[in-house]
Amino acid sequence: EDQVTQSPEALRLQEGESSSLNCSYTVSGLRGLFWYRQDPGKGPEFLFTLYSAGEEKEKERLKATLTKKESFLHITAPKPEDSATYLCAVTLGAGNMLTFGGGTRLMVKP
Amino acid sequence: DSGVTQTPKHLITATGQRVTLRCSPRSGDLSVYWYQQSLDQGLQFLIQYYNGEERAKGNILERFSAQQFPDLHSELNLSSLELGDSALYFCASSDPGTGGAFSYGYTFGSGTRLTVV
Repeated sequence: EDQVTQSPEALRLQEGESSSLNCSYTVSGLRGLFWYRQDPGKGPEFLFTLYSAGEEKEKERLKATLTKKESFLHITAPKPEDSATYLCAVTLGAGNMLTFGGGTRLMVKP
Repeated sequence: DSGVTQTPKHLITATGQRVTLRCSPRSGDLSVYWYQQSLDQGLQFLIQYYNGEERAKGNILERFSAQQFPDLHSELNLSSLELGDSALYFCASSDPGTGGAFSYGYTFGSGTRLTVV
């Protein structure tokens, strides 16, 4: 069965304390791995798409990497405004729908 | 504003009732996806429409149905509502035919919060 698992479920950081979020997947026929940010009560906001192992993408303090079995979202020197839930999702199959992991709730304290 | 419009933003209704949620996709996007987000289940894919045709089905209950109209807006109909149907319902749009979904992701609306009492 295709699965997407994110860890940890919640992460508390001090401002400036770098860390990584993990997304592991057991799917066949992966077409793309997506990272989204979701603020409370709002829709997910697109961050990155990764297609193949070894690929990396960066945006401000965020860097996403992909291996054959997992993806990491590295957060460098986070700020309180980076507090949100970070969602990982994969696409597979003809319909291109996203299969989401459970998310990591990140809290950055000043 | 993401360009995907969902109405209403909030909906409170009683068990056994029927409601309709509406979604207008981003201009030019042909695909519409519906997702349900509850506290214990996370984001669950319900159904996808592409240019008016059903393309894929996920964990959608038989009490739920959807359609996409010629102007590409979509409606999700939920009937015989139960307390457990209380959740955030999101619509997302993309245009996979041009590769847009992979370059720019799927664009989500701000959701409809459904509360069944």
